[in-house]
Amino acid sequence: GQNIDQPTEMTATEGAIVQINCTYQTSGFNGLFWYQQHAGEAPTFLSYNVLDGLEEKGRFSSFLSRSKGYSYLLLKELQMKDSASYLCGASGGYNKLIFGAGTRLAVHP
Amino acid sequence: DTAVSQTPKYLVTQMGNDKSIKCEQNLGHDTMYWYKQDSKKFLKIMFSYNNKELIINETVPNRFSPKSPDKAHLNLHINSLELGDSAVYFCASSPIRDLYNEQFFGPGTRLTVL
Repeated sequence: GQNIDQPTEMTATEGAIVQINCTYQTSGFNGLFWYQQHAGEAPTFLSYNVLDGLEEKGRFSSFLSRSKGYSYLLLKELQMKDSASYLCGASGGYNKLIFGAGTRLAVHP
Repeated sequence: DTAVSQTPKYLVTQMGNDKSIKCEQNLGHDTMYWYKQDSKKFLKIMFSYNNKELIINETVPNRFSPKSPDKAHLNLHINSLELGDSAVYFCASSPIRDLYNEQFFGPGTRLTVL
């Protein structure tokens, strides 16, 4: 079957580092997406990992382990505006794409 | 300029009605999508069109019918609306047809079926 698991909610402090984990099961896995979605808004693209390892983009980094079916999104120097839901999505097979329910991150002062 | 736009933003209607949601993108992309995000926030792909050709058609009731008059537009028509159709519907576009690329999402249409 196809499944994506990620924590429902997380809290963190402004200026800190937070890691949002995602495990996935798909047939014919191609790559792993992370999107950010603020409440009441559209998802916006953060990253797409195809190869194992860590990819860094400014304060955000994304990691993938294909053998473990595991990814994480790392957010550094947290800001209040980072409070949002973070959606993990896996593309696999022929034009298959599934998303998790998202992790709601609350950043506190 | 809005990259991906949807109308209407909110839609409240009675069960059994037929309604349409329109989507337009001015990014010059070849591929457009419809997603449904339910109350539990799961984002599920419904359809994808590449240059007016249907390339993804997930298990969606045939009450839902997408129509793409040209590659910049992808509309969604829903017949005989049911309570379970209440959700936020997002349109998205990407430069090419595969799923390995960033997708640009519209602002969403919140559909409430009473």
